[in-house]
Amino acid sequence: QSALTQPASVSGSPGQSITISCTGTSSDVGSYKFVSWYQQHPGRPPKLIIYDVSNRPSGVSDRFSGSKSGYTASLTISGLQTEDEADYYCSSYTSASTLGVFGGGTKLTVL
Amino acid sequence: QVLLVESGGGLVKPGASLRLSCAASGFTFDEYYMSWIRQAPGKGLEWVSSISHSVIDTYINYADSVKGRFTTSRDNAKNSLFLQMGSLRAEDTAVYYCARVPRIAGDANVPLEADYWGQGTLVTVSS
Repeated sequence: QSALTQPASVSGSPGQSITISCTGTSSDVGSYKFVSWYQQHPGRPPKLIIYDVSNRPSGVSDRFSGSKSGYTASLTISGLQTEDEADYYCSSYTSASTLGVFGGGTKLTVL
Repeated sequence: QVLLVESGGGLVKPGASLRLSCAASGFTFDEYYMSWIRQAPGKGLEWVSSISHSVIDTYINYADSVKGRFTTSRDNAKNSLFLQMGSLRAEDTAVYYCARVPRIAGDANVPLEADYWGQGTLVTVSS
């Protein structure tokens, strides 16, 4: 199955807000609310930070928020902090496969 | 706390086999679907397989890239998940993560998200 489309990189300064997009198709993001986001620091396993488009698991900062419009889901990080520098991956349920589909990942640099 | 610990990775030659294990603790293992997710060096994430919680009516899904070569199983009595990998190829080189799946959806029991991950085990396929 084809990966969801994410920008390769985004950057921002401490205190700013950034948004990472995740574009899919009618088989996944466009038709279902099952979009999740993961944060991965170098050498570490991914961590679930958003599920069902906009829900945060317990313990995840409310600086992380998610939304969706049409075929594109978005992750917004407000009040950027240096520890937010990491790779971010979106994932979605898809009707085109028996497993979910991930985006290619976005490297966030906090300048 | 939830803990997932993978083992069994290593360096193997193309065509070889390898068995990965994942020891789970801190939750009721037989109440959850589980998955294997891999990440090639410097690359993104890929779902490899998922397995239902029940060993009586077992549902197992595989990525097309591993179907027919990999077999996922679990031993609920030992709180363990396994991935038997065969006919390994260079493109199977990756860190393999064991992950807990809290929810599935659809007739195909598609995993919706992975809420806990192990530290991963590296599999390198090279001659």
